[in-house]
Amino acid sequence: EVQLVESGGGLVQPGGSLRLSCAASGFTFSTYEMNWVRQAPGKGLEWVSYISSSGSTIYYADSVKGRFTISRDNAKNSLYLQMNSLRAEDTAVYYCARDQRGFGEIDYWGQGTLVTVSS
Amino acid sequence: QSALTQPASVSGSPGQSITISCTGTSSDIGTYNYVSWYQQHPGKAPKLMIYEVSNRPSGVSNRFSGSKSDNTASLTITGLQAEDEADYYCKSYTSSSTWVFGGGTKLTVL
Repeated sequence: EVQLVESGGGLVQPGGSLRLSCAASGFTFSTYEMNWVRQAPGKGLEWVSYISSSGSTIYYADSVKGRFTISRDNAKNSLYLQMNSLRAEDTAVYYCARDQRGFGEIDYWGQGTLVTVSS
Repeated sequence: QSALTQPASVSGSPGQSITISCTGTSSDIGTYNYVSWYQQHPGKAPKLMIYEVSNRPSGVSNRFSGSKSDNTASLTITGLQAEDEADYYCKSYTSSSTWVFGGGTKLTVL
């Protein structure tokens, strides 16, 4: 069974940093592209970042470019999102998401981890 | 990276059909067939319903179908059921090598 389990969310002050982790199991992690998607409270979905299966290709949404860094450790079946210079508008549930075939179709989602940026 | 445009809400009675539109530009939907649709029930993670414009993942009811014309993609649900009541989001690949979601549509089954 495919499982994606996020961790690392919490309350952080504006300007602070947080590192999210996603533990993957039930599939060959190293062969799948992965994404982070977020959803602000009561709002819609927002694509945040993508990383190829090898980690060699990375893309970011303009809203997080230069502040967030996506990475992966295929030996540990883990995906990460390092978030720096956090702003109130980054407050959201962050989902770890598996890309079905590398074209952006997300076939499995984690349960999400809440990040709250507030003083 | 402007969000794709979806109607805020649509509604229909059980057994009826509804269509949700998703309008983009020539830089996303108009050029690429990497359009997907997601269903999200309150408090739950989204679920993939349609990928590459019109393909259904295994396990998704054939009451759900997708199509595209020019810069607009559409999701059609036939034979509406109470369990279809949810939020629906479209998503497209863009010429900037990024992805963009629609703002979401709340489907109410009357």
